[in-house]
Amino acid sequence: NAGVTQTPKFQVLKTGQSMTLQCAQDMNHEYMSWYRQDPGMGLRLIHYSVGAGITDQGEVPNGYNVSRSTTEDFPLRLLSAAPSQTSVYFCASSYSGGTGGAETQYFGPGTRLLVL
Amino acid sequence: KNEVEQSPQNLTAQEGEFITINCSYSVGISALHWLQQHPGGGIVSLFMLSSGKKKHGRLIATINIQEKHSSLHITASHPRDSAVYICADERDSGAGSYQLTFGKGTKLSVIP
Repeated sequence: NAGVTQTPKFQVLKTGQSMTLQCAQDMNHEYMSWYRQDPGMGLRLIHYSVGAGITDQGEVPNGYNVSRSTTEDFPLRLLSAAPSQTSVYFCASSYSGGTGGAETQYFGPGTRLLVL
Repeated sequence: KNEVEQSPQNLTAQEGEFITINCSYSVGISALHWLQQHPGGGIVSLFMLSSGKKKHGRLIATINIQEKHSSLHITASHPRDSAVYICADERDSGAGSYQLTFGKGTKLSVIP
């Protein structure tokens, strides 16, 4: 199994450009999520999904869009990049469990984004 | 607002020392996660616990639900344990979903 994969590893954007961060997992996990990690702060939830066709907002959703058309893929779209979106982005997945509780979290390697 | 506080923020230890990292949370949770972030940036799940204690190798995690507190212990620390250790609490968001709230992490450096 490849686990959770993310592309690209590093990206530089100009203010106003759009792009999509890719995330894929091959473990048949229902739950997938996107986090951003900034210096001096904990990981913060952007968007999450409990299954194909179902997404919801996390703590910091503004400026980001997601969709979940398949179990495997959960792309994150930046609609119009801003310098405040400079960050390291992590995708994670897990089984959701029968009661909706979390299981072991599997993280992708991260995407480092710089917005100029 | 739920907050997850970790202490200490930074910790330097000599190889072989017993290490304790603390985590406190403010609201009721479903479970508490401990993660390790390697110097290269990768994040790995260490433990997920909702009560009592779990052990894996030299790592031990405990949780006290009444006191809203969890600890991560490392016995016989080694330089390869140098990493950032992150705790996160899990709360039920309803409709079969949940959310994690993360602490800022504890940076551990183990010196030979």
